[in-house]
Amino acid sequence: GNSVTQMEGPVTLSEEAFLTINCTYTATGYPSLFWYVQYPGEGLQLLLKATKADDKGSNKGFEATYRKETTSFHLEKGSVQVSDSAVYFCALSDPGNQFYFGTGTSLTVIP
Amino acid sequence: DTAVSQTPKYLVTQMGNDKSIKCEQNLGHDTMYWYKQDSKKFLKIMFSYNNKELIINETVPNRFSPKSPDKAHLNLHINSLELGDSAVYFCASSNLYGGGERSSYNEQFFGPGTRLTVL
Repeated sequence: GNSVTQMEGPVTLSEEAFLTINCTYTATGYPSLFWYVQYPGEGLQLLLKATKADDKGSNKGFEATYRKETTSFHLEKGSVQVSDSAVYFCALSDPGNQFYFGTGTSLTVIP
Repeated sequence: DTAVSQTPKYLVTQMGNDKSIKCEQNLGHDTMYWYKQDSKKFLKIMFSYNNKELIINETVPNRFSPKSPDKAHLNLHINSLELGDSAVYFCASSNLYGGGERSSYNEQFFGPGTRLTVL
């Protein structure tokens, strides 16, 4: 069946460090891929998305590239800030119209 | 304007009580969802409604019942609350786009969550 696997946290980084959160997926057909962010005490917000292979989603300095050959959608940011501290969820939606979320990765950025 | 709203934001109640959580979306979406998020932040989908029909019904206890009076609202009613029901419940909505074999749901928009505490 379809699923999303993302690296377990928590992840702790110093400000201005490079961030990578790994995400791999299993799906049939042509899924769309998403990264959501959940700030403390809030709901999930869409961070970026990609709808076909080799697409790159980007927003707020974050990027992720849809890699069909490695079934991956890793999230990266070149220089994290304290305000990036949150839980990040990788997700896919499949042509069968179902949404699948990863288990979430907690990121803490320290000054 | 709030896109997806939920009430109440906090709900504290005793075991055995019956409670409801309300959700409304003003995005014109045709599908709405309820998720449960546990203390480890794991998200579990509970229900979704598309055009007033239940299209996903995961293996949740039948004490939980979704009710959709119209496509802008999806309420969650919970009977005989138990300690294990304590969690944050999120409502979400989305719209079908594309078509044919490449169709898939567009991104989901989430409400702010309802923190349920059962004592």
